[in-house]
Amino acid sequence: AQSVTQLGSHVSVSEGALVLLRCNYSSSVPPYLFWYVQYPNQGLQLLLKYTSAATLVKGINGFEAEFKKSETSFHLTKPSAHMSDAAEYFCAVSDTNDMRFGAGTRLTVKP
Amino acid sequence: KAGVTQTPRYLIKTRGQQVTLSCSPISGHRSVSWYQQTPGQGLQFLFEYFSETQRNKGNFPGRFSGRQFSNSRSEMNVSTLELGDSALYLCASAGTQGSDTQYFGPGTRLTVL
Repeated sequence: AQSVTQLGSHVSVSEGALVLLRCNYSSSVPPYLFWYVQYPNQGLQLLLKYTSAATLVKGINGFEAEFKKSETSFHLTKPSAHMSDAAEYFCAVSDTNDMRFGAGTRLTVKP
Repeated sequence: KAGVTQTPRYLIKTRGQQVTLSCSPISGHRSVSWYQQTPGQGLQFLFEYFSETQRNKGNFPGRFSGRQFSNSRSEMNVSTLELGDSALYLCASAGTQGSDTQYFGPGTRLTVL
């Protein structure tokens, strides 16, 4: 069965600093991997998606994620945090049957 | 294309009542999934419908049910509401079943008093 683990339920960075949100997955088949962002009182918005075309995936708002099969990881990064990046971020894994979400990481950006 | 729409956005009910939530997927999408989101349990999968058939079901009691219509619109029903059912209910649509990208609606905030 597939599963996702997000390391760190809360991450705090200063504005302009590197953002690194960690995600490890397990899957018995080559997975589809996703990062979603959720702003308060809103639904989830797709940031990026890995589908095996390229290991480095670029998403919206300057975010990117790198698929590392040997580490079963799909960490999300952004070189320079902006105040508007403050939100909750979810990693998800999907095979042919269903999609599983991680517990989420709340990102705080300090001025 | 219009996004996923959910109605109502907010709902207040009392224990023992039942509630029906509605979700209209993106035009052309045939898969609709429902999730419950709470601070304690996070995002939990309820069920997925594809072409009017329930394809997958999460670990929720039978009080939670759903259906999908021929136009792909979906409804979710919760009977005999409990305080613990208070949550944000999210609907997501996808073009195909399973691995395709899911696009989420804004959710329905249900409060049970």
